[in-house]
Amino acid sequence: EADIYQTPRYLVIGTGKKITLECSQTMGHDKMYWYQQDPGMELHLIHYSYGVNSTEKGDLSSESTVSRIRTEHFPLTLESARPSHTSQYLCASSVGNEQFFGPGTRLTVL
Amino acid sequence: GESVGLHLPTLSVQEGDNSIINCAYSNSASDYFIWYKQESGKGPQFIIDIRSNMDKRQGQRVTVLLNKTVKHLSLQIAATQPGDSAVYFCAERGGFKTIFGAGTRLFVKA
Repeated sequence: EADIYQTPRYLVIGTGKKITLECSQTMGHDKMYWYQQDPGMELHLIHYSYGVNSTEKGDLSSESTVSRIRTEHFPLTLESARPSHTSQYLCASSVGNEQFFGPGTRLTVL
Repeated sequence: GESVGLHLPTLSVQEGDNSIINCAYSNSASDYFIWYKQESGKGPQFIIDIRSNMDKRQGQRVTVLLNKTVKHLSLQIAATQPGDSAVYFCAERGGFKTIFGAGTRLFVKA
């Protein structure tokens, strides 16, 4: 059982709001990731981190930022949410080839 | 560009039968190929991986086959059970990044 948590699980907000999606893991993994996924579709990498104080942008430009101040915590912030940000956001950490995913945050921007 | 994709969006099998889920990839430089299972409302879960210098790898009730000549990957599930109903993603890993393909939804008929 993977110990990776995401909050909130569901979020409905208005356009222009600033939001932070939380992700925490208790496995001590250095590598962490954020993905965006529409239902049944492939995962698109938004950001990743090699470890504390290391963050990189992924392939999908989502106008979001991340921080990695502690190994276990990797929050994702949208400065100004838009309807195009409506999607599911998945956080993961990894060891070797295996990525451990959280349950996801389903975001709806009205 | 790089892409990992699946031939069929849905697959329906009878309980107890074997399932075969297919995937095509385009990046010959990938080091590993990986299968994930995603159940409704959950994040993807690692099933099995195969190194690029192997042709076949077996796990518990699952077998992954890699054909580098035609850039084809498949996941075979033996004696498919209702709990196998999910979306299955293939992914390829080269260096730090893992690229996911679009999923195949597996329906298991009782």
